[in-house]
Amino acid sequence: EAGVAQSPRYKIIEKRQSVAFWCNPISGHATLYWYQQILGQGPKLLIQFQNNGVVDDSQLPKDRFSAERLKGVDSTLKIQPAKLEDSAVYLCASSLGALLYGYTFGSGTRLTVV
Amino acid sequence: DAKTTQPNSMESNEEEPVHLPCNHSTISGTDYIHWYRQLPSQGPEYVIHGLTSNVNNRMASLAIAEDRKSSTLILHRATLRDAAVYYCILYTGKLIFGQGTTLQVKP
Repeated sequence: EAGVAQSPRYKIIEKRQSVAFWCNPISGHATLYWYQQILGQGPKLLIQFQNNGVVDDSQLPKDRFSAERLKGVDSTLKIQPAKLEDSAVYLCASSLGALLYGYTFGSGTRLTVV
Repeated sequence: DAKTTQPNSMESNEEEPVHLPCNHSTISGTDYIHWYRQLPSQGPEYVIHGLTSNVNNRMASLAIAEDRKSSTLILHRATLRDAAVYYCILYTGKLIFGQGTTLQVKP
């Protein structure tokens, strides 16, 4: 089966600019997650969707980050405006049933804010 | 969130077994033990999970202590491609990653 697709693979922007990341999960996976991974740390959960509804966004910095999952399939994560500390890899994952099957992660988008 | 403790790093020789330990003394009865690994420049990859009994799959084995306060991920014959960060996670409805163990495999 095709994996979780993410784009772009790399992005460099200046601080205060906006950026958007796209994720296409595995077909049929109802649950979708966005994680932020800062260099040298484990991934941090930002937001979890179940179909097109938000299940958990408690760690999402809502003053600058937003995410949507229209039609319950692909998803977009946006940062506006970006700060230097947003430099990280943004990972998308999807799951058919996390307890039994685990999460499948994409390769991520590496964001550098200069 | 339930915590796990893992060594920061471990080394292994190629083609030898590797035992990666994880302590989770505050585990509750419904927490599943999940293991993921992350190869360089890739997203994490599911390895194995279990609740009480030892588990085997094509990638690894998971040995869970009788009191469930610790577990061990076993790679039966390490290869250079197994060099990665290994995360032990108590799944409680969401996957919360710690620092993990960086495994180096020497030829």
